[in-house]
Amino acid sequence: EDKVVQSPLSLVVHEGDTVTLNCSYEVTNFRSLLWYKQEKKAPTFLFMLTSSGIEKKSGRLSSILDKKELFSILNITATQTGDSAVYLCAVGKGGSEKLVFGKGTKLTVNP
Amino acid sequence: DTGVSQDPRHKITKRGQNVTFRCDPISEHNRLYWYRQTLGQGPEFLTYFQNEAQLEKSRLLSDRFSAERPKGSFSTLEIQRTEQGDSAMYLCASSRGPVEAFFGQGTRLTVV
Repeated sequence: EDKVVQSPLSLVVHEGDTVTLNCSYEVTNFRSLLWYKQEKKAPTFLFMLTSSGIEKKSGRLSSILDKKELFSILNITATQTGDSAVYLCAVGKGGSEKLVFGKGTKLTVNP
Repeated sequence: DTGVSQDPRHKITKRGQNVTFRCDPISEHNRLYWYRQTLGQGPEFLTYFQNEAQLEKSRLLSDRFSAERPKGSFSTLEIQRTEQGDSAMYLCASSRGPVEAFFGQGTRLTVV
């Protein structure tokens, strides 16, 4: 059965800290790994990764994929209170259009 | 606003009633997805349309659930004879191809 496991499930930090969120997966016919940020309702797209070792960056956020070890990390540097959200990792499979999501990491950034 | 639009945003219904939700995808997106999310969990895939064709359905989609996308534009998700276990956030997403999907705000269903 396909599995996406995120850790930690919950994290509380202070503004300015750097955080690393983890996502490991076991899926057949891996195609892509995606990160989403969910604040209140709609998950908003952050990154899509398909190749190992290539870092994607957007401002203070960056992510990298390791297809050999079957995991990805999402880094957030100099965290701000606006980064407080649930971060979801999802894996896309070849031969299927569905995304398999992890349970998410709830990040709380305190001032 | 040109994002994915869902209606209604909230629905409270009595057990046994039927409910229908609507999703309007981003206009140039030919792919449309429905997901269900319960508290503390990630979204779970329900079904996928490419244009008007329903090409993939999850085993989660019991015979009480039906989805349509009649003209390849908006989609509806109907739940018949609702049960308390159907209480969840129902998310719609769309995409232009096998790339990132963009989600709507969701419809929160509460079955009492």
